[in-house]
Amino acid sequence: GAGVSQTPSNKVTEKGKYVELRCDPISGHTALYWYRQSLGQGPEFLIYFQGTGAADDSGLPNDRFFAVRPEGSVSTLKIQRTERGDSAVYLCASSLTRGQPQHFGDGTRLSIL
Amino acid sequence: AQSVTQPDIHITVSEGASLELRCNYSYGATPYLFWYVQSPGQGLQLLLKYFSGDTLVQGIKGFEAEFKRSQSSFNLRKPSVHWSDAAEYFCAVKSDRDDKIIFGKGTRLHILP
Repeated sequence: GAGVSQTPSNKVTEKGKYVELRCDPISGHTALYWYRQSLGQGPEFLIYFQGTGAADDSGLPNDRFFAVRPEGSVSTLKIQRTERGDSAVYLCASSLTRGQPQHFGDGTRLSIL
Repeated sequence: AQSVTQPDIHITVSEGASLELRCNYSYGATPYLFWYVQSPGQGLQLLLKYFSGDTLVQGIKGFEAEFKRSQSSFNLRKPSVHWSDAAEYFCAVKSDRDDKIIFGKGTRLHILP
């Protein structure tokens, strides 16, 4: 079956611009997670959704970052006023429900010029 | 706070040789432990997980890992590596109280022909 799908696979934009990254989880998975992976590092947790609500957003670095999941399926990670330090691979994962193994997408590579 | 240490940034082994990748964790209670593999440009694939029970866990692709509470370790092993095993390997820990996974910085595995 289809895995976690993330679009776009690559995004290049200029400093100060607004970007949206999309995640389409595995069908039927109620839990959805966003992670950020900087060069040479392991992924770092950003936010977790159970259904439509953000159950834990403690990993969002500042208020320029925001994520939504309005219908409990697709999620969008939004970054305002992008900075060069935001350049990273943004990974999305989903699980059947909380506590179950997380399945990862291939990520979106974001480059801020 | 939870943390994961992978002391080896790079490991090089010959094809057909045995492999052990080291992982140490810090967590107050019994952790949930994982090993993920990441090929270039790809997302993370779960190799194996430990939640409870038998401390020697078998995973996909011929990998296994052993949980040693006394050493706070969860080392990954494979008796004979293949060239296709060249990738980055991440050890990770999760508590039973929340859903964020804490990753180590990864070990890049190189295979000599």
